[in-house]
Amino acid sequence: KQEVTQIPAALSVPEGENLVLNCSFTDSAIYNLQWFRQDPGKGLTSLLLIQSSQREQTSGRLNASLDKSSGRSTLYIAASQPGDSATYLCAGNTGNQFYFGTGTSLTVIP
Amino acid sequence: DVKVTQSSRYLVKRTGEKVFLECVQDMDHENMFWYRQDPGLGLRLIYFSYDVKMKEKGDIPEGYSVSREKKERFSLILESASTNQTSMYLCASTAGSTDTQYFGPGTRLTVL
Repeated sequence: KQEVTQIPAALSVPEGENLVLNCSFTDSAIYNLQWFRQDPGKGLTSLLLIQSSQREQTSGRLNASLDKSSGRSTLYIAASQPGDSATYLCAGNTGNQFYFGTGTSLTVIP
Repeated sequence: DVKVTQSSRYLVKRTGEKVFLECVQDMDHENMFWYRQDPGLGLRLIYFSYDVKMKEKGDIPEGYSVSREKKERFSLILESASTNQTSMYLCASTAGSTDTQYFGPGTRLTVL
């Protein structure tokens, strides 16, 4: 069974800082990896999807990378803003199922 | 834009009650999922469905059942609610098994 880990569980940074969130998974046989954002009490919003054949995806200030051989993905956020404060989750897709990490809670301090 | 809606944002039920949670998606997606989310445990898959009238157990199906009579609607049923089913319930859908997963806003269920 796929296990997904996100470290750290919580992160605080000053506004404007660039930061990296980490996601590791145990089974390299994934179809894709997806990054989500979750605001308190809300559902998940998809940020980026990286297919297994891709190395990275970009959307605005966000860049996600995938290294299947090492079982790692990173989400890079450039020039962080207070509005980026949320919990970020990654999920590995093994075909029919998505396996989620427990998330990194990000606080961007004005 | 894909829209996934859930019937209630907040729900309070008594132990032993039968509870229905409904999820509707408007993008003709094949696959639909029900998760529960608990602090420290993350999202755990309860059931999923890849076609009308089809269902597959996820990691924690005990105490739950599902129904998918129409493609756009996936219902989660708690036959006899218990306090340990107090949780945030999230519904999601995908077009295909390797496509982006879209989530509804969630239902916060409290069982007293």
